[in-house]
Amino acid sequence: AQRVTQPEKLLSVFKGAPVELKCNYSYSGSPELFWYVQYSRQRLQLLLRHISRESIKGFTADLNKGETSFHLKKPFAQEEDSAMYYCALSGQRTGANNLFFGTGTRLTVIP
Amino acid sequence: DTGVSQDPRHKITKRGQNVTFRCDPISEHNRLYWYRQTLGQGPEFLTYFQNEAQLEKSRLLSDRFSAERPKGSFSTLEIQRTEQGDSAMYLCASSLGGGNTIYFGEGSWLTVV
Repeated sequence: AQRVTQPEKLLSVFKGAPVELKCNYSYSGSPELFWYVQYSRQRLQLLLRHISRESIKGFTADLNKGETSFHLKKPFAQEEDSAMYYCALSGQRTGANNLFFGTGTRLTVIP
Repeated sequence: DTGVSQDPRHKITKRGQNVTFRCDPISEHNRLYWYRQTLGQGPEFLTYFQNEAQLEKSRLLSDRFSAERPKGSFSTLEIQRTEQGDSAMYLCASSLGGGNTIYFGEGSWLTVV
């Protein structure tokens, strides 16, 4: 069965410090991995997906199939990055392109 | 706002009552999804539609839950004989076909007392 693990429920970093939000997954096959973000009082929205291989708002994430990880990184955290971050996967076993989410990590960037 | 819209945003109901939530997807999005989110958890898939056809249902969707998308546009999620365990955020989402970005609504909070 698929599993997405985000080991940190809470993560605090100082403004300007590097940030890494961890995500590990378990899936038989080739999943597609995503990071979704939810800012305060806003809806859940896509931050990035691994097939795009792009940087959004300074964030990047590399799919490491050997370690089954998809960690989200940013070299210099900003206060506006404070939000709830969810790692998610989809694949044939999840059905169509339905998303299977982790439990999320709340990032707080301290001024 | 032309995003996914959900109504009502908040609902408090007594145990045993029926509730219905409505979702209006982004125009022209042929896929519509329902997810449920409880405190401290990520969203969990419930069901999805391709146009008016309900193609998949999660085991989470008990017999008390029914979802419809009669004309392939808006969708309703009805919960019959609500239980306290049904208290959660019900999220609707839509996408243009498979493999494309899934856009979420703001959700409908259900509290069963």
